[in-house]
Amino acid sequence: DAGVTQSPTHLIKTRGQQVTLRCSPKSGHDTVSWYQQALGQGPQFIFQYYEEEERQRGNIPDRFSGHQFPNYSSELNVNALLLGDSALYLCASSDRDRGPYPHFGNGTRLTVT
Amino acid sequence: QQQVKQSPQSLIVQKGGIPIINCAYENTAFDYFPWYQQFPGKGPALLIAIRPDVSEKKEGRFTISFNKSAKQFSLHIMDSQPGDSATYFCAARATGNQFYFGTGTSLTVIP
Repeated sequence: DAGVTQSPTHLIKTRGQQVTLRCSPKSGHDTVSWYQQALGQGPQFIFQYYEEEERQRGNIPDRFSGHQFPNYSSELNVNALLLGDSALYLCASSDRDRGPYPHFGNGTRLTVT
Repeated sequence: QQQVKQSPQSLIVQKGGIPIINCAYENTAFDYFPWYQQFPGKGPALLIAIRPDVSEKKEGRFTISFNKSAKQFSLHIMDSQPGDSATYFCAARATGNQFYFGTGTSLTVIP
């Protein structure tokens, strides 16, 4: 049973560029959340998708957007990258019927230079 | 503003010791309280969780103690092992299924 998978594992971008990160949820999970984890900090909620719609959004700039596809996979897009966007981006999935706890992937390490 | 305050930032114990990590919150609407364990290069993994209608929960060597009136909860690791060396995060869920995480505790268990 595959867990949450994310791609790519590492990414280096230049300030001002745009980036797309991808996530496949754990089998049987229908809800996908994205978190940003700065070095030495806890994960910070970005947004959550369910039934292909953004259901909840954290205190995050509009440069961050996402999408959920019919197969429950998801993308996170960040426009106009800033140096401060360098972080580990974590995707988490859950099943609304079986429990709310997010199950995390291993993340995408984004470095903005 | 940190919604969930976690302490200590780091902790070093001898093998067999009982490290205790504490978290405090203010939002009385929080309704789920999980703990996560994270190893370097990996995502956080769900360790144990509790609801506010229960004061204690044990799973193997891990125990959560929950004090609803004080708005505090803690993780105890019994008979700690070097393999428990990791970063631990407490979290709490607000309405709308958004989880707030603490800042983490780096635990080192010395053989």
